[in-house]
Amino acid sequence: KQEVTQIPAALSVPEGENLVLNCSFTDSAIYNLQWFRQDPGKGLTSLLLIQSSQREQTSGRLNASLDKSSGRSTLYIAASQPGDSATYLCAAFPHTGRRALTFGSGTRLQVQP
Amino acid sequence: NAGVTQTPKFQVLKTGQSMTLQCAQDMNHEYMSWYRQDPGMGLRLIHYSVGAGITDQGEVPNGYNVSRSTTEDFPLRLLSAAPSQTSVYFCASSYSEDRGLNTEAFFGQGTRLTVV
Repeated sequence: KQEVTQIPAALSVPEGENLVLNCSFTDSAIYNLQWFRQDPGKGLTSLLLIQSSQREQTSGRLNASLDKSSGRSTLYIAASQPGDSATYLCAAFPHTGRRALTFGSGTRLQVQP
Repeated sequence: NAGVTQTPKFQVLKTGQSMTLQCAQDMNHEYMSWYRQDPGMGLRLIHYSVGAGITDQGEVPNGYNVSRSTTEDFPLRLLSAAPSQTSVYFCASSYSEDRGLNTEAFFGQGTRLTVV
């Protein structure tokens, strides 16, 4: 059974810092891994999707990497801004079995102005 | 495109009542799924579907039924609501990996359900 873990559960940084959010998964047989952002009381917004054959994906100030062999993905946020404050979730989609995502519990990020 | 649409946004039920949460997508996605989100526990899979007429159980299926008569719709039914089903419910959809298209999952805005 796939298990996805995100550490830390919460993070507070001053504006302008570069930061890394971590995601680890126990079963390396994934088809893709997706990062989401969730604002309080809102739905999930997709940030980046990394296919299992890819090492990284970039969108603006966001860069996500994937290392299947070690069961790890990281989300790098450059030059953080107060508007980046949200909960960030990672989720793994398997190669076989249930055709649905397995989520981590998320990292709650607060960027202080 | 409206994407994934969930209704209602909020609902209060009494214990024992039944109701249906609606989910519709207009992207012709094969895969659809229902999750519940509880504080500190992330999103957990309730049921999922790989196409019209095909559904299967997820991690926490007890107390919920689903059906998929069309590609677009995937309703979630609570048979007899219990306080333990108080949660936020999310519906998602994506293309099948067999299509060779972007398999990014899209989510609805959620239904906040309270059972008293």
